[in-house]
Amino acid sequence: KAGVTQTPRYLIKTRGQQVTLSCSPISGHRSVSWYQQTPGQGLQFLFEYFSETQRNKGNFPGRFSGRQFSNSRSEMNVSTLELGDSALYLCASSLAPDRGGRGYTFGSGTRLTVV
Amino acid sequence: AQTVTQSQPEMSVQEAETVTLSCTYDTSESDYYLFWYKQPPSRQMILVIRQEAYKQQNATENRFSVNFQKAAKSFSLKISDSQLGDAAMYFCAYRGLGGATNKLIFGTGTLLAVQP
Repeated sequence: KAGVTQTPRYLIKTRGQQVTLSCSPISGHRSVSWYQQTPGQGLQFLFEYFSETQRNKGNFPGRFSGRQFSNSRSEMNVSTLELGDSALYLCASSLAPDRGGRGYTFGSGTRLTVV
Repeated sequence: AQTVTQSQPEMSVQEAETVTLSCTYDTSESDYYLFWYKQPPSRQMILVIRQEAYKQQNATENRFSVNFQKAAKSFSLKISDSQLGDAAMYFCAYRGLGGATNKLIFGTGTLLAVQP
């Protein structure tokens, strides 16, 4: 079956702009989590969605937001981009939040560069 | 707060040899999950092995095994018969069961090089 699909793979944006990233989970998976990966901060949890509801949120400013649709696809949005938002954004899916112990399946990420 | 520490930024191993990657963690929870993920240059995080804290038996997946020491809060990964395809960044991760800890907390990673 198809894996976790993230689009686009690469993105270049200018400071002050906003960006939307998309993630389609594995078929049947209803939980989607987002992580930011940077050389300085490593991998950090952004938020998790399940059944179109945000279940958990990391320590990021309000410029970072997300949503989940009825088909479990998720989008994350970053407004008023800053240079420090340049990162690899990874999406991970699991059957449900309480099934996360089985492990999450990750996508290949979206590389965002802010100039 | 839960933390995960990987003290080896880089490791190197000869092909066909065995290497052990270290990971320690800190938590006050009694039940949780631990994972090792591999991230090759393709960027996709691949689950290597998982361990449930309430299970004393160490997990094994083919050439990959862990040494889980709950009291010492240690979770090391052993790769036997190393192959060139094992070269990647390896991340240790913790996931709790509480509301706030119901997420993956990653270590800083260990870059593994495999020498032919």
